[in-house]
Amino acid sequence: GAGVSQSPRYKVTKRGQDVALRCDPISGHVSLYWYRQALGQGPEFLTYFNYEAQQDKSGLPNDRFSAERPEGSISTLTIQRTEQRDSAMYRCASSLVSPDTQYFGPGTRLTVL
Amino acid sequence: ILNVEQSPQSLHVQEGDSTNFTCSFPSSNFYALHWYRWETAKSPEALFVMTLNGDEKKKGRISATLNTKEGYSYLYIKGSQPEDSATYLCAFIAGYGNKLVFGAGTILRVKS
Repeated sequence: GAGVSQSPRYKVTKRGQDVALRCDPISGHVSLYWYRQALGQGPEFLTYFNYEAQQDKSGLPNDRFSAERPEGSISTLTIQRTEQRDSAMYRCASSLVSPDTQYFGPGTRLTVL
Repeated sequence: ILNVEQSPQSLHVQEGDSTNFTCSFPSSNFYALHWYRWETAKSPEALFVMTLNGDEKKKGRISATLNTKEGYSYLYIKGSQPEDSATYLCAFIAGYGNKLVFGAGTILRVKS
């Protein structure tokens, strides 16, 4: 595709529900990153993949958060048993290889009620 | 803990003014520094990737310099225009490139 796409763009869920956020990177990009962005702040690193291998998950806040990229392309970030503090913009980015320029998707705005 | 700081936090200038911002990062274990331009409600847009001490990069009226020994980078905008209004983010990569650690950004507002 022309750029990084994410779905859904907006997600409202009730506390305790699980959510899955999808990222479709630019075709051919090896590296894929997930970030969380609070209002007025820069993106905060969560995890990243090279191909299907998760290289670094040090930014995942706790074990309710997980990510996968099983075929080295599309990635899913899953948040289990959501809490209100999980409300944020979740952004995905991809790059040809690390540490090249990262191209960001439009983000998924998650609201946990 | 890697700390990336940007200053000033915000800047208001008149159209035609030139301006600059600073990004400070750890001087040890440097790998790369990225600059992004981010308009609210849009995705961050890449401006520069800088890797070598003394690097200078330019894109139109925007340029950036890098000093890895002292741990800072400057972003310059010459002759600011209202369309330059955005948040400018820098991000640091340590060691063998993996995660970006972002600063909080500098908010630029250019009045016509």
